[in-house]
Amino acid sequence: DTEVTQTPKHLVMGMTNKKSLKCEQHMGHRAMYWYKQKAKKPPELMFVYSYEKLSINESVPSRFSPECPNSSLLNLHLHALQPEDSALYLCASSRNRGYGYTFGSGTRLTVV
Amino acid sequence: GIQVEQSPPDLILQEGANSTLRCNFSDSVNNLQWFHQNPWGQLINLFYIPSGTKQNGRLSATTVATERYSLLYISSSQTTDSGVYFCAVWLRNSGGSNYKLTFGKGTLLTVNP
Repeated sequence: DTEVTQTPKHLVMGMTNKKSLKCEQHMGHRAMYWYKQKAKKPPELMFVYSYEKLSINESVPSRFSPECPNSSLLNLHLHALQPEDSALYLCASSRNRGYGYTFGSGTRLTVV
Repeated sequence: GIQVEQSPPDLILQEGANSTLRCNFSDSVNNLQWFHQNPWGQLINLFYIPSGTKQNGRLSATTVATERYSLLYISSSQTTDSGVYFCAVWLRNSGGSNYKLTFGKGTLLTVNP
């Protein structure tokens, strides 16, 4: 298995909703990442997990809450989002930090 | 300042043409990747190439780490090559305490039939 699987592919949520994005990999990678991408912009790093511990938080608002329950799974919990949070959310993994990244196909999030 | 710079920002080709995309970076690197993002948003890894030359079918890449640039060559382009090509480099963050994969702004390639 050489894939990173993200679910759901599309999500529409209201500003008072709570939802979660899920990311899974079975490549034995020990580093996992969340990126946010706005239209016509490059992906921007949000969080890095290394060996299931949060190692980088790029000053992301607390309405985004990451979780790494085990080495294969990464979640992003969403609460009280704003319309400007609408974007493509990409998950990635790598064997370890500094090695080649594999990206999932993303979750396209719309906040209404 | 600019850490990862890609050129050209936009490129329009006729099917069958060849092209070269360039990525300049501001520091020595241990990791450089080229990605293709298709119209559906999927980021596909093309090359992991911190140095040297690699080839995969019609695509090849060369990184000259000592001169801080990388080139992506696309030969005999096809309409399915359309999309955004990103160079991403493992660079120290602005605080100097950590490293992260930093993307250039990308090259938007359009291949017309």
